[in-house]
Amino acid sequence: GAVVSQHPSRVICKSGTSVKIECRSLDFQATTMFWYRQFPKQSLMLMATSNEGSKATYEQGVEKDKFLINHASLTLSTLTVTSAHPEDSSFYICSAATGSRNEKLFFGSGTQLSVL
Amino acid sequence: QKEVEQNSGPLSVPEGAIASLNCTYSDRGSQSFFWYRQYSGKSPELIMFIYSNGDKEDGRFTAQLNKASQYVSLLIRDSQPSDSATYLCAFRRAGTYKYIFGTGTRLKVLA
Repeated sequence: GAVVSQHPSRVICKSGTSVKIECRSLDFQATTMFWYRQFPKQSLMLMATSNEGSKATYEQGVEKDKFLINHASLTLSTLTVTSAHPEDSSFYICSAATGSRNEKLFFGSGTQLSVL
Repeated sequence: QKEVEQNSGPLSVPEGAIASLNCTYSDRGSQSFFWYRQYSGKSPELIMFIYSNGDKEDGRFTAQLNKASQYVSLLIRDSQPSDSATYLCAFRRAGTYKYIFGTGTRLKVLA
């Protein structure tokens, strides 16, 4: 399958700091990437759709100013959690779609964020 | 009603048996369905996708889709302990780029 690289895999930070997570498509170009959040024993929740060269589309209830998304190239999208608080602690996963119908969704390895 | 319904499990099967995982969905217009496997602490891995009614086989995995009844299932033949994971059912909402995921079924294959 297609390769999506995500860094870092784990972040521990103090409350109030900002954390940046990178997501790269390594062997294909992704005009659209998706950012998900997953709490323990729960399903994936879509946070936002990242569009190359334009503003991200956020899901209802997701704060745009808190979760900054930049998709500056066809292979890179970043998610910045600004002024992180303990309730932001979660598993963040990026993904991109590819395939002949651009419908197979492949995931990065995820970032476990722990805010102290 | 949830858009994707899955039994959370755990579903326990002995090694070598067939594991059967089921999923129902609400969007009648959806055309694309997926099964992902997720190990604890890891991100989901695509294992099967199906677009047409009927069965689709890939190695030990068979996906079955019935659009009239709005269900999709995954059969795992000759189950192995390494198949123990959470299996997520997903579909792409018709006319959008949005993928909707179920909460997953936890499978345990007993050695």
